[in-house]
Amino acid sequence: DAGVIQSPRHEVTEMGQEVTLRCKPISGHDYLFWYRQTMMRGLELLIYFNNNVPIDDSGMPEDRFSAKMPNASFSTLKIQPSEPRDSAVYFCASTLSSVTGLHEQYFGPGTRLTVT
Amino acid sequence: AQSVTQLDSQVPVFEEAPVELRCNYSSSVSVYLFWYVQYPNQGLQLLLKYLSGSTLVKGINGFEAEFNKSQTSFHLRKPSVHISDTAEYFCAVIYHYGGATNKLIFGTGTLLAVQP
Repeated sequence: DAGVIQSPRHEVTEMGQEVTLRCKPISGHDYLFWYRQTMMRGLELLIYFNNNVPIDDSGMPEDRFSAKMPNASFSTLKIQPSEPRDSAVYFCASTLSSVTGLHEQYFGPGTRLTVT
Repeated sequence: AQSVTQLDSQVPVFEEAPVELRCNYSSSVSVYLFWYVQYPNQGLQLLLKYLSGSTLVKGINGFEAEFNKSQTSFHLRKPSVHISDTAEYFCAVIYHYGGATNKLIFGTGTLLAVQP
């Protein structure tokens, strides 16, 4: 298996521009998570999906952030308009649920976003 | 509130010395426990996990951890570290209630700095 795939790996954009981050989860996994990592706040869960349906988006910082999962193999995280404080590494992770609940998550390599 | 505490933000250690990275969680309810490692500019990789059964869990790269329910701890240990173990280590917990889905809650991370 190729693991969780994220693109792009690096993104540099100017303030006010729209940014779209992409994620392909591991085939067969039914949960997908978006995280943000910064030095100041560590790892933060932004949103997660179960069977393509958003379950909890309480971690999404503002209305400028939106996430979609149109099918089981693809998800996007969009920031519009972007701001310098959005600069961070964004991780996507996926997992397969079991009768005893969720277990380990498998992380992608991350997208390093820099907003100037 | 449910939380995970990693008291040590950085642990310097000499090569071939033993190391322990501490992790405590906040609740005595049923938990799944994980340790992840993040090498520079990479995503998170699962080191080991505790779901049930034996309280001593062995993981990759010679690491092990012990689940102590009475002390609500899950400390990570390695008897002899290598330069290549230099990385950020994250403890994470899923608080679960009868199989209900819950989020993976991360600690703030501990930087293991192995010196020659």
